[in-house]
Amino acid sequence: AQSVTQPDIHITVSEGASLELRCNYSYGATPYLFWYVQSPGQGLQLLLKYFSGDTLVQGIKGFEAEFKRSQSSFNLRKPSVHWSDAAEYFCAVGGSSNTGKLIFGQGTTLQVKP
Amino acid sequence: EADIYQTPRYLVIGTGKKITLECSQTMGHDKMYWYQQDPGMELHLIHYSYGVNSTEKGDLSSESTVSRIRTEHFPLTLESARPSHTSQYLCASSESTGLYNSPLHFGNGTRLTVT
Repeated sequence: AQSVTQPDIHITVSEGASLELRCNYSYGATPYLFWYVQSPGQGLQLLLKYFSGDTLVQGIKGFEAEFKRSQSSFNLRKPSVHWSDAAEYFCAVGGSSNTGKLIFGQGTTLQVKP
Repeated sequence: EADIYQTPRYLVIGTGKKITLECSQTMGHDKMYWYQQDPGMELHLIHYSYGVNSTEKGDLSSESTVSRIRTEHFPLTLESARPSHTSQYLCASSESTGLYNSPLHFGNGTRLTVT
């Protein structure tokens, strides 16, 4: 079955510390992977996407993610977290056909300590 | 800035009422979607449309219905609201060109509470 797992429901990091949010997927075909961020009361905003090519992708707001096919993972990283990064983060997977139908993980809530 | 607009942002309504959640986008996207999001849970696709007069049910069964009479407009209707419909409803759109899954553009959502 197709699924996305975000093992960490809640993460707290200190401002300035590094961050890694985990994402594992199960998908029968070539996966197309996304990370979205949702601030309180807002919709989801695309941080970055992986379709093919270089397995390390850069996104907005200083985020990057690395696709590891052997581990079925697409972890999100940021070297230095800012207080404004506190939000909920969703990993999503889609197929090769442009259906727009994505499967989302449960989300990881990031709290940033001053 | 949002190019996809949802109204109302918040709605509290009694059981049995008919409601329509509005969604409009100004990007000219052919594809539009409705996702349902419960707190602490993943988003589930409940409806999608690939163009005018095209609507399909998503992966999560929903008692709501949708229509797509104009490209920019994709309203969702509940004929008789129930407490089990309490949730956040997110509208999204995407481009239809290209082979790959184009990123979804989301509205800010409607948080519905049925009492």
